[in-house]
Order: sequence, then structure tokens, then C-alpha cells
Amino acid sequence: DTAVSQTPKYLVTQMGNDKSIKCEQNLGHDTMYWYKQDSKKFLKIMFSYNNKELIINETVPNRFSPKSPDKAHLNLHINSLELGDSAVYFCASSHQGAIAGPHYEQYFGPGTRLTVT
Amino acid sequence: AQSVTQPDIHITVSEGASLELRCNYSYGATPYLFWYVQSPGQGLQLLLKYFSGDTLVQGIKGFEAEFKRSQSSFNLRKPSVHWSDAAEYFCAVVLYTGTASKLTFGTGTRLQVTL
Repeated sequence: DTAVSQTPKYLVTQMGNDKSIKCEQNLGHDTMYWYKQDSKKFLKIMFSYNNKELIINETVPNRFSPKSPDKAHLNLHINSLELGDSAVYFCASSHQGAIAGPHYEQYFGPGTRLTVT
Repeated sequence: AQSVTQPDIHITVSEGASLELRCNYSYGATPYLFWYVQSPGQGLQLLLKYFSGDTLVQGIKGFEAEFKRSQSSFNLRKPSVHWSDAAEYFCAVVLYTGTASKLTFGTGTRLQVTL
């Protein structure tokens, strides 16, 4: 069983388009995350939701909007795509996202490679 | 700022040789530290973590790491590397923002294994 899944795996689109990436976890975790990995493999957190509440919102352009319909799902919508948005986007989930404790581990999805042309 | 540093961008070892990947942290309190591995085209997989207690932590795939407070380090080791260990390795530390915990990653070390 896939613990954290993302769709699509690959996304190729043109500048100016709007696209969404979906994420689902079946681990029963209360916290979910979105990360961006650039071409140099640098990983940076973008957003985090704990029990459907936004708890981390890094300095990300307003064109990026996360949505969490329930604890098991966290989607990422991107408006007016730009060339610089090309990257691999990872979803992750964990317990204890508010205050990390001994059971805090983030489980990552396989990633979505977004290419903007 | 609180962070982790991985000084080595790229390391090459021969199969069967020992491995040590370096990680240094900058953190005021006792840090929660992690090592993740990313195989090509894959997501990140947790190798091991340190919260407290025994400073030598055992992980999956034969990896271990040692927390050394005096050196602000959490280096990853493996006694005998296999070709399948070729991947990108990330050290990470948990930071508390006041409302949430988040992982801050190092820049990664790419491991190449020669046969």
C-alpha cells in the first residue's frame, strides 16, 4: 500500500496556465506538507497543514495556494505558472506536526516533476 | 540561524569500502536530527533519526549515525557500501517556529559508488 501518493507524477505545461497537484496519505497522520526541490536538489518547505489548519506558510508567491479538504488530503494549486516554478514538488505527512516529539517522522511522496515551458 | 550544513557536495567510494557523510548543525537546544536518502527519481526515505538518549543511532539498510554535541555533528556511517547505496543523502533538523515544527534540510551529499 502506498503511504503518501501524489498525482500526477509528471506535469508539463505552458507559462500562464493554472495547474493542480494532488496528495493523499493513508497513514492516519495529522499533518501534511508541501516541499519544492529545485534543480540543485535543495529542498524547501512551502506549506504545512495540521488537522486541516494552515500552520506553516513560508514566503511563497500568492500564485501558490494549498487546500486541505480533510486530514488525508493536501492539494497544491498554482496559478499563472512561470518558468521558475519548474521543480519537483514533494508532499509529506507526519504525526505531531505542531510540536515534534519522539514519533515525529515525515513520510514523503514520490514527487511531481513540474516543467513549465 | 538554526540550520544544518553538509560540507561535501559529492563523494565517491568503492563498493565494499566504508562511508562517512558529514552533517553539522547549528542549534541552541538539543536538536532533533534526521538522515534521509533520495534515490534517483524517487521521494525521500528516512534512514534514521535522533531525539535523545543513546548518541549512536542505528537505521535501516545498515546505516548508523552518531550525535556528537561537542562537535555539533551528526555524521552518517556505513561499514561497507553497496552499489545500490548510490543516491542523494540529506541531513535535516527540526525547527520549532512557535506554532509548528518543520524540517530544515541540508544541501545534500551525492554519493557515487564505483564497482
